[in-house]
Amino acid sequence: GDSVTQMEGPVTLSEEAFLTINCTYTATGYPSLFWYVQYPGEGLQLLLKATKADDKGSNKGFEATYRKETTSFHLEKGSVQVSDSAVYFCALSDLRKDDKIIFGKGTRLHILP
Amino acid sequence: NAGVTQTPKFQVLKTGQSMTLQCAQDMNHNSMYWYRQDPGMGLRLIYYSASEGTTDKGEVPNGYNVSRLNKREFSLRLESAAPSQTSVYFCASSDRGTGGLSREQFFGPGTRLTVL
Repeated sequence: GDSVTQMEGPVTLSEEAFLTINCTYTATGYPSLFWYVQYPGEGLQLLLKATKADDKGSNKGFEATYRKETTSFHLEKGSVQVSDSAVYFCALSDLRKDDKIIFGKGTRLHILP
Repeated sequence: NAGVTQTPKFQVLKTGQSMTLQCAQDMNHNSMYWYRQDPGMGLRLIYYSASEGTTDKGEVPNGYNVSRLNKREFSLRLESAAPSQTSVYFCASSDRGTGGLSREQFFGPGTRLTVL
């Protein structure tokens, strides 16, 4: 079945460093891809999404490009802030199959001031 | 517009006790979901409801039951709680976009459940 694999954390960076969190997927169809973020003590919220190959999702300085050839959707940010400390989940969904979203296991990010 | 609300926020149960977790959404979404989140395991789908009147099992349904009371509300019941059900429970809702493309899921703030 479909699946998502993302890099294990925790990832610790200094403020203003460049961030990459790797995500790869396995899917038989043409899924939409998502990054969700979970701040401490809160539920998940959508950070960005891409619905077809070569689409780039972006929000709050974060970007990810849907790469069908490498089945990847890596999350990047050029200069992280302490407020970006959170858990990040890569996910996919294919409504042609069902209404479910498949999540990766999450990557915890710590940003040091 | 409150989005997705969950009650209670925290709960402590003894083994064998029962309880119902409540979830409601005010976005007129058709689909609703219950997940549990455990350290190192990400989110695992317990049950979901694609529309009012329908429910389906997810990845980890054992020990749980659900009720889609109406379009707004989707409850999760633990009939006889076990320590293995200690977790954070999230409710979510979504709706289909146009052209068959996926829409995002909106999450509630979670219920932190401890079973002693």
